[in-house]
Amino acid sequence: DARVTQTPRHKVTEMGQEVTMRCQPILGHNTVFWYRQTMMQGLELLAYFRNRAPLDDSGMPKDRFSAEMPDATLATLKIQPSEPRDSAVYFCASAPSTDTQYFGPGTRLTVL
Amino acid sequence: AQSVTQLDSHVSVSEGTPVLLRCNYSSSYSPSLFWYVQHPNKGLQLLLKYTSAATLVKGINGFEAEFKKSETSFHLTKPSAHMSDAAEYFCVVSDQGGFKTIFGAGTRLFVKA
Repeated sequence: DARVTQTPRHKVTEMGQEVTMRCQPILGHNTVFWYRQTMMQGLELLAYFRNRAPLDDSGMPKDRFSAEMPDATLATLKIQPSEPRDSAVYFCASAPSTDTQYFGPGTRLTVL
Repeated sequence: AQSVTQLDSHVSVSEGTPVLLRCNYSSSYSPSLFWYVQHPNKGLQLLLKYTSAATLVKGINGFEAEFKKSETSFHLTKPSAHMSDAAEYFCVVSDQGGFKTIFGAGTRLFVKA
């Protein structure tokens, strides 16, 4: 049963620290999405990649967030420096050539 | 431009009674429409998907949704609620290439015993 995996599942850090979240998409899926979920804003699309190329990162604060796909099996989302307002659950999703997205379990980030 | 509106932030039903979660969408072209479910502290799981093949779409766990173009609606229904259906449900609209995906604000379903 193929699944999207995310690590870590939980992260607590202090303001100013760098945070890196990782995602392993389902093998063969060529599109990867990063979302952020908060109570106030709901689900927000931060960025997505197709065939490892970034297609849209307009939802991402550029000054502190960066997203990359070093290879087809790994997507990363980095926050540097982190701030308390970044506290949220970050979801990765992958999709095959169709538009159905398969979500990972999320990374719950708490920035103190 | 695309948008999606979930008309109820919370819905409460009794176990064994029907469920109706409402969703309206706006799209300038033929969209793909989805319903996802999120149980507490879990990721999102696909319930069903519409991509113009049939207007009545059957999903997992007894859920189904009907695409009504004239009403720009894609409401989710289930004949008989189960306690395990208590979760948050998201209506989603996407362009058919899957590049732009818009999530609704979510509807939290409560099921009373």
